Amino acid sequence: NAGVTQTPKFQVLKTGQSMTLQCAQDMNHNSMYWYRQDPGMGLRLIYYSASEGTTDKGEVPNGYNVSRLNKREFSLRLESAAPSQTSVYFCASSDRHRPLQGYGYTFGSGTRLTVV
Amino acid sequence: AQSVTQLGSHVSVSEGALVLLRCNYSSSVPPYLFWYVQYPNQGLQLLLKYTSAATLVKGINGFEAEFKKSETSFHLTKPSAHMSDAAEYFCAVSDRSSLISNFGNEKLTFGTGTRLTIIP
Repeated sequence: NAGVTQTPKFQVLKTGQSMTLQCAQDMNHNSMYWYRQDPGMGLRLIYYSASEGTTDKGEVPNGYNVSRLNKREFSLRLESAAPSQTSVYFCASSDRHRPLQGYGYTFGSGTRLTVV
Repeated sequence: AQSVTQLGSHVSVSEGALVLLRCNYSSSVPPYLFWYVQYPNQGLQLLLKYTSAATLVKGINGFEAEFKKSETSFHLTKPSAHMSDAAEYFCAVSDRSSLISNFGNEKLTFGTGTRLTIIP
């Protein structure tokens, strides 16, 4: 099925370890996003990419880096994981070429990350 | 800056009763508004959206929402709750100026969510 695919679905890291969360979409969308979801705080934007080759910080970028590898893929990297980064991470994409229609996002199913 | 406030982090209704989930927004320009639903261990799915056309918007699974500019609200309703409606619901806002200034990149701002429980 077409959509947004995230890997892995679950991950446990030790403090200080690094890892990369992968995201790929097959809908030919231009814009991609990384959010984290924490209880009582909703979804907060970490980084986004308006198009291939561009990335920008969102609301909570500290401790993260991103790479827009190509139009399909947008990865999120934790260089030195901290317990405060325990969260559920969602990748999303949207169709930039129909922006004024308020297209909305298509979300992946999430990565549940625990840092111990 | 735009924001949304969802009143009530938890709402419980009986099966067959009216569902009302509240969302108020703040935006300096005409907003686009969205409701998303998240079932356990899944991503968010779009329920419905308001993009300055009709103020009463119908979505999937019998849900609808009404945009009221005077009240800066976009409450989600369903006449008769079903057990399968149990989920977390998120209101979100974006705006036309954001879309233009960010070269069409649509940055959504989400509320903190309302968990809906259906009582048999």
